Amino acid sequence: DAKTTQPPSMDCAEGRAANLPCNHSTISGNEYVYWYRQIHSQGPQYIIHGLKNNETNEMASLIITEDRKSSTLILPHATLRDTAVYYCIVRPTQGGSEKLVFGKGTKLTVNP
Amino acid sequence: DAGITQSPRHKVTETGTPVTLRCHQTENHRYMYWYRQDPGHGLRLIHYSYGVKDTDKGEVSDGYSVSRSKTEDFLLTLESATSSQTSVYFCATYASGRGTGELFFGEGSRLTVL
Repeated sequence: DAKTTQPPSMDCAEGRAANLPCNHSTISGNEYVYWYRQIHSQGPQYIIHGLKNNETNEMASLIITEDRKSSTLILPHATLRDTAVYYCIVRPTQGGSEKLVFGKGTKLTVNP
Repeated sequence: DAGITQSPRHKVTETGTPVTLRCHQTENHRYMYWYRQDPGHGLRLIHYSYGVKDTDKGEVSDGYSVSRSKTEDFLLTLESATSSQTSVYFCATYASGRGTGELFFGEGSRLTVL
């Protein structure tokens, strides 16, 4: 069973920030949060990950709450090409189970 | 890019026939995964491997078996295909302890069981 829950769908206007939430209330201290996205029927692609601190890269920002029970992926200036299904998963640091289970993800639609 | 190749990319078969999907990787990644994707279900884990000859079940393993005799190859077998196994199958790999620890996915194999 997936250890994360996400809203099934969200809409965002082009040029605005897209904020995608993920709940992982049972996350343990040695688990990372990873985000992926899947465009059309292609294989999912990595976006960003974090453990405790907020992270930013050229694609997105990841905000993790202090209790680590939820996180938000932020696409600062969404474009039409960001329309995709976004998945968050938890993944252990070394030594944990590597059974990586995805949920149903969030279908983000960026509107012109 | 982990150099993941899935084969075949497309296959149509009949109910009751055996089918084997192959995932080949060139990066010497330890972990390999098979997922299926169906409308409304997201990605569901079928089986995964944490080393040569080391495999374990995922969420939806019934009707599927896997084998990993070499680091680079992970085979998914449907012993007797059923229409409910019509799906897109994705292979993924990653190397624990290296880089960002991300999963790399193949391009998918679309299987239709008539």
